[in-house]
Amino acid sequence: TQLLEQSPQFLSIQEGENLTVYCNSSSVFSSLQWYRQEPGEGPVLLVTVVTGGEVKKLKRLTFQFGDARKDSSLHITAAQPGDTGLYLCAGEGDNYGQNFVFGPGTRLSVLP
Amino acid sequence: ETGVTQTPRHLVMGMTNKKSLKCEQHLGHNAMYWYKQSAKKPLELMFVYNFKEQTENNSVPSRFSPECPNSSHLFLHLHTLQPEDSALYLCASSQRAHRGAGGSGANVLTFGAGSRLTVL
Repeated sequence: TQLLEQSPQFLSIQEGENLTVYCNSSSVFSSLQWYRQEPGEGPVLLVTVVTGGEVKKLKRLTFQFGDARKDSSLHITAAQPGDTGLYLCAGEGDNYGQNFVFGPGTRLSVLP
Repeated sequence: ETGVTQTPRHLVMGMTNKKSLKCEQHLGHNAMYWYKQSAKKPLELMFVYNFKEQTENNSVPSRFSPECPNSSHLFLHLHTLQPEDSALYLCASSQRAHRGAGGSGANVLTFGAGSRLTVL
């Protein structure tokens, strides 16, 4: 069974600080996605990474896929209150028939 | 309408009631999913449909009954639920159900806003 772990589970920081969230597994994934979910809403896709070692930037957010395609990180520079939410990573299995597996999420709170 | 639409957004039901959740996608995707999101738990996959055919039933109790009449619509019929079934039920769609099901490129999920279910 493929599993994804995320750390930290909870993070509360002041506006302007930097932070990194991690997503780890012992399994290989063909792709990995990061989603952000706000209270009462469904998760919204932020980015998809496919190639081992790939780095993608989305404004103040930087995403990296591990070389072995087993882990990923999300770094936020100069966090803002609008970044508050639940950050979920999800991996698509590397083999036929394997579906998406989700991590438990990191709940981020950015205080003004 | 664009994206994935779920109705109702909120539902309160008794343990003996029968109700249904509805999901509609306007993205031309071939796969649709039901997920359950409970407090302090990862998203739990319940059902997967690919081209209207159920391809996965993740050991879900029979009091949850899915229906997929076409690739754009997905229902979750609920009956004799338990209080522990209270959760946010999320519908999602994607271009394909899983790696190897045809198509190319990364497969990503587009979620609806969810139906918040409370069972009394």
